[in-house]
Amino acid sequence: QKEVEQDPGPLSVPEGAIVSLNCTYSNSAFQYFMWYRQYSRKGPELLMYTYSSGNKEDGRFTAQVDKSSKYISLFIRDSQPSDSATYLCAMSGNSGGSNYKLTFGKGTLLTVNP
Amino acid sequence: ETGVTQSPTHLIKTRGQQVTLRCSSQSGHNTVSWYQQALGQGPQFIFQYYREEENGRGNFPPRFSGLQFPNYSSELNVNALELDDSALYLCASSLFGGSDTQYFGPGTRLTVL
Repeated sequence: QKEVEQDPGPLSVPEGAIVSLNCTYSNSAFQYFMWYRQYSRKGPELLMYTYSSGNKEDGRFTAQVDKSSKYISLFIRDSQPSDSATYLCAMSGNSGGSNYKLTFGKGTLLTVNP
Repeated sequence: ETGVTQSPTHLIKTRGQQVTLRCSSQSGHNTVSWYQQALGQGPQFIFQYYREEENGRGNFPPRFSGLQFPNYSSELNVNALELDDSALYLCASSLFGGSDTQYFGPGTRLTVL
C-alpha cells in the first residue's frame, strides 16, 4: 500500500461547478498537509497548507483534514477554466525538528470546461 | 522577493553520461530539497540540504548526489545516467525550523536517450 493514495482522474467539470479532490494516507505521523497545483510542464505551486485536523479557507479554495480517518480534501467553488491543472496532495511529519520530506500523491488531472 | 530558479530548463543526455542541475533558493530560505517527477507521477523526494550538509535522503542510489553552497544554492549531480532517470527534476526551498513549507522551482526536464 502506498503511503498516499490519490485518484489520478481525469476529472472533467463544467465551469462554475464545485470540485472535490481527495487523498487518503496510511502514515499516522503525518501532521502537515498541503495541496499544490501544477500546470503542464511547470513546477508545483502551493495552494493550501494545513497543520493537523480542521478546515482552512482561502477564496474559492477550502482544505479539510480528518486525521482520524486519514483523509484530506480540497474543494474548489465556482471553478474556472484557469483552474484546469493537476492537483497534488502532499504531506509531511516532524522529523528532527524539520519536516524534511514531502510525500506526494500521484496527482489528479482536472479540466474545467467553459 | 526572488522565487526559486533552476537551470537548465531542458537537457538531453545519453545513457552512461553525467549531469549537473542547478537551483537557486528563494530569498530568505536556507534549505533546499530535490525531487524527481516521472511522467504522470507525483514528485519523489531525493534529498534535502541544510547548512551545506545532507539532511535526509529518499530511496535513490548513491549515483544521485548533491551540494549546497554558502549562498544556499544547490546542485544535483547524477552519474551513470539510465533511461529511467528521464524525468522532471524539481528543486524546492524552505526555511529550516519554520513552517517548512516548500516552494518549488519550474524544474529541469531531463531526457536520457
